[in-house]
Amino acid sequence: ILNVEQSPQSLHVQEGDSTNFTCSFPSSNFYALHWYRWETAKSPEALFVMTLNGDEKKKGRISATLNTKEGYSYLYIKGSQPEDSATYLCAPLSSARQLTFGSGTQLTVLP
Amino acid sequence: GAGVSQSPSNKVTEKGKDVELRCDPISGHTALYWYRQSLGQGLEFLIYFQGNSAPDKSGLPSDRFSAERTGGSVSTLTIQRTQQEDSAVYLCASSLARQGRDNEQFFGPGTRLTVL
Repeated sequence: ILNVEQSPQSLHVQEGDSTNFTCSFPSSNFYALHWYRWETAKSPEALFVMTLNGDEKKKGRISATLNTKEGYSYLYIKGSQPEDSATYLCAPLSSARQLTFGSGTQLTVLP
Repeated sequence: GAGVSQSPSNKVTEKGKDVELRCDPISGHTALYWYRQSLGQGLEFLIYFQGNSAPDKSGLPSDRFSAERTGGSVSTLTIQRTQQEDSAVYLCASSLARQGRDNEQFFGPGTRLTVL
């Protein structure tokens, strides 16, 4: 079981604001890092799977960076919209193919 | 194409009863995972199946919990003698299990279990 920390725990932003969250994880024995978005009453949905130090991935207005040496990843949302409201989960993958999920950052975008 | 499906979507049971939760993974996905989310908690890993290999049961919280996967497809999570602390949303996920590290997991809608 890995120690995964996400901050902040919750966040309220105005529509149009850009925002970012942090995921911290053990840098030793790193294998991969997953980001998921979980909307209320829906299933978690994969955003990114990142494996290489320095990786930067983008999907629309959402992007993520990865630093495996220091054990952190940032998720950025540019120009937040109300439909971005969800809990954003990060999960490092161990070599045993087991994901350990952080407790998530709950984002609320106010119109 | 069909995604991961789970049944039932909701289950209310009395303390001490046994329950069975079912997961149908995406066709062709050889890896299957069970997680649960208790109120106010994050997603907790329970068990992982990969093909015909012995499952990774390291996340099961007690011997009242068991799971099987028949024919490499459908999985059933069984909780015996349910307790109130078993109340949670139980999520199933599946993924392709290529040799690479970049396999995202596809989640089902979950089963909300309430133990009275």
